[in-house]
Amino acid sequence: EAEVAQSPRYKITEKSQAVAFWCDPISGHATLYWYRQILGQGPELLVQFQDESVVDDSQLPKDRFSAERLKGVDSTLKIQPAELGDSAMYLCASSLAGGFNTEAFFGQGTRLTVV
Amino acid sequence: GQSLEQPSEVTAVEGAIVQINCTYQTSGFYGLSWYQQHDGGAPTFLSYNALDGLEETGRFSSFLSRSDSYGYLLLQELQMKDSASYFCAVRVETGANNLFFGTGTRLTVIP
Repeated sequence: EAEVAQSPRYKITEKSQAVAFWCDPISGHATLYWYRQILGQGPELLVQFQDESVVDDSQLPKDRFSAERLKGVDSTLKIQPAELGDSAMYLCASSLAGGFNTEAFFGQGTRLTVV
Repeated sequence: GQSLEQPSEVTAVEGAIVQINCTYQTSGFYGLSWYQQHDGGAPTFLSYNALDGLEETGRFSSFLSRSDSYGYLLLQELQMKDSASYFCAVRVETGANNLFFGTGTRLTVIP
């Protein structure tokens, strides 16, 4: 069964260090989302790609966060420098493009702890 | 921006029926989705409503009223495994086909 792959599953990093997360969406899914989920809250959209293009990064803290999807397939989300408040689950999701009734498939996420 | 409201917690008895409500305020509304998330797991898609009315999928049904900016998820014949968080999410037609989530409802099913 096709699934969204994310790595690492868990990451502990020190404050001010750089950290990166990787996501491989389901093959053929043109839309890719990165969400941040704080424990007990709903996923918060950080950035959305359509193929290799960013279509929405309005909620991405661009002073420290960056995201890329160079070939329109897998994607990397980077934080530099990490802050204590960045501790959260980072979820990647993908969906087929073109339809509003398309299901978004989520990966298992990367649990980030900043110490 | 978008605003979605859901009850934070709901408790129901195994075998019963429970309804989780969601009200939203957004521009460019296109449809309402529901996702289930077990502790430590990823959100999984349950249903989607773009038109007014009820959509039924097995034990789960979802309802939408666009004029009231309101929807709900109905879970029937509750099972212990239904204990999870349930999120409503709006699809908005802003050119980017965004998907924005509510804060979630924690459902606890008790024997």
